Amino acid sequence: AQKVTQAQTEISVVEKEDVTLDCVYETRDTTYYLFWYKQPPSGELVFLIRRNSFDEQNEISGRYSWNFQKSTSSFNFTITASQVVDSAVYFCALSEAGTGNQFYFGTGTSLTVIP
Amino acid sequence: EPEVTQTPSHQVTQMGQEVILRCVPISNHLYFYWYRQILGQKVEFLVSFYNNEISEKSEIFDDQFSVERPDGSNFTLKIRSTKLEDSAMYFCASSEAQILGYTFGSGTRLTVV
Repeated sequence: AQKVTQAQTEISVVEKEDVTLDCVYETRDTTYYLFWYKQPPSGELVFLIRRNSFDEQNEISGRYSWNFQKSTSSFNFTITASQVVDSAVYFCALSEAGTGNQFYFGTGTSLTVIP
Repeated sequence: EPEVTQTPSHQVTQMGQEVILRCVPISNHLYFYWYRQILGQKVEFLVSFYNNEISEKSEIFDDQFSVERPDGSNFTLKIRSTKLEDSAMYFCASSEAQILGYTFGSGTRLTVV
């Protein structure tokens, strides 16, 4: 079974639109960590955010915001007023305290922002 | 900002050859990892390394793979006899402590021909 599901394979939006990338996770651990990484066309993985399971407070960083809801096991990522430079593949990842610190990545969502 | 450095950025090798992928983790980090991403697919865990030994490895990390920290700074992944299906992007990562989040290197794209 997939521990991290990113149901949206590809999304295209027009510049300045808002876009939400979905992430649903599955774990039996009470202590776990969720992450979002950005992979631009150049291929590197860029850390965006880390959330632990005890902190459901939503976070905003500039045009980025994250909505963590334990009740639905979701950790969604919203980009406000998207820009062409946001075009990338975005990965959600889970790490469970009970199984060491291996990361389980979702399959990624490819976001294209059209100028 | 401290970086994880991987070399080379791209390596082409013939099937059956041995390759060594090199990584220089961030200097005060204690945990080291290798991940693999086959083109267009998700990032998959290979191995974690702590205190000079493997702490976890996945099913992918079979006898063809080995890791080493030969000195105080480098962390290497060796593939003994490469196969076509080993073609992928290989990411090294390090962390100061478990669950603080990794810093990934920029990756080595391995192409086996």
